Amino acid sequence: DGGITQSPKYLFRKEGQNVTLSCEQNLNHDAMYWYRQDPGQGLRLIYYSQIVNDFQKGDIAEGYSVSREKKESFPLTVTSAQKNPTAFYLCASSIGRVYEQYFGPGTRLTVT
Amino acid sequence: GESVGLHLPTLSVQEGDNSIINCAYSNSASDYFIWYKQESGKGPQFIIDIRSNMDKRQGQRVTVLLNKTVKHLSLQIAATQPGDSAVYFCAEKAPGTGNQFYFGTGTSLTVIP
Repeated sequence: DGGITQSPKYLFRKEGQNVTLSCEQNLNHDAMYWYRQDPGQGLRLIYYSQIVNDFQKGDIAEGYSVSREKKESFPLTVTSAQKNPTAFYLCASSIGRVYEQYFGPGTRLTVT
Repeated sequence: GESVGLHLPTLSVQEGDNSIINCAYSNSASDYFIWYKQESGKGPQFIIDIRSNMDKRQGQRVTVLLNKTVKHLSLQIAATQPGDSAVYFCAEKAPGTGNQFYFGTGTSLTVIP
């Protein structure tokens, strides 16, 4: 089955620690995205990548970093500089810029 | 309809009735729109999309209507079923914005058996 996988589903970290969220897709999509979802709010774009070895900041990139070394993988690191990291993180991919984005199941990160 | 804030708009319908979920989008230049369904604790699922050169598009049990004059989008679900209970939100994309979609906050639909 083709799709997007995110792991783990739940992640707990202590404040001050960096944490990396995994996102893998086997849809052969060029573009990949990371969003953050907070209760009662719309998805907000953190980073996106249109092609391997290239990525751009979204609206809320501060305190996050990404890499795109392989087409199928787009890991997100939540650094200790992110002031409010507890959230539901969603990864998505699309064929190109003007096509629908397909989402993974999400990772719920709790930082205490 | 959708709004920014901590509390989602809610809609309750009887099983078998039709549902209409509304979305007011922000950018008059947006030319591509998507409706997503999100069940609790899961990632959003694509339902249907529409481009700005159309005013209506139909899928299986769903219809999206686009009114560019008032920047309004609606999702109609026919013969609503309990499995349709979820949060529904729209996303808009404007030309020249790269890969950026902007997402509404969503409407919570509850189907009463």
